[in-house]
Amino acid sequence: DTAVSQTPKYLVTQMGNDKSIKCEQNLGHDTMYWYKQDSKKFLKIMFSYNNKELIINETVPNRFSPKSPDKAHLNLHINSLELGDSAVYFCASSRQGRGYTFGSGTRLTVV
Amino acid sequence: GIQVEQSPPDLILQEGANSTLRCNFSDSVNNLQWFHQNPWGQLINLFYIPSGTKQNGRLSATTVATERYSLLYISSSQTTDSGVYFCAVDSNFGNEKLTFGTGTRLTIIP
Repeated sequence: DTAVSQTPKYLVTQMGNDKSIKCEQNLGHDTMYWYKQDSKKFLKIMFSYNNKELIINETVPNRFSPKSPDKAHLNLHINSLELGDSAVYFCASSRQGRGYTFGSGTRLTVV
Repeated sequence: GIQVEQSPPDLILQEGANSTLRCNFSDSVNNLQWFHQNPWGQLINLFYIPSGTKQNGRLSATTVATERYSLLYISSSQTTDSGVYFCAVDSNFGNEKLTFGTGTRLTIIP
């Protein structure tokens, strides 16, 4: 059973398109996150949700909109994709005292 | 915000060697984790270790919270240990979020 699963694994799309990445966790964690890993491998938080409520929004362009229909799901929608959005996006979940678990990542390539 | 520094940035070793990776952080932490990002890009959780010492096979980790550092030890390296090792911390103050260091890239040569 995959603890944090995200789809798709790979996404190649043209500039200007709108795309979504989905994430689900079956760990019963209360908090979920989106992280972005750039070409230099640096990992930085984008958003966090706790029980469907947005907690952190780290200076991310408003073309990025997270949505949490319930505490087990956190999706990421990106409008008007730009070349600079190419990166690997990781979903994660956490529970206090138990640490964070990451999904396997979605490699987004904008052409 | 909290700063996380890892050293060395790169490490090349022969199979069978031992290594020590270091993580320094600038403030007190609730959580510290070590991750291994393998060549396929997956982030594998190695240790959840805000304090103390843990061992898992050939890997062990020690965090000295009062001195704000953590060490990851890898013994008898294998080629499958290659990849990038990240230290990440969650500080005691503000909203819960994991801040990553810049990583140590480990290459094990057969």
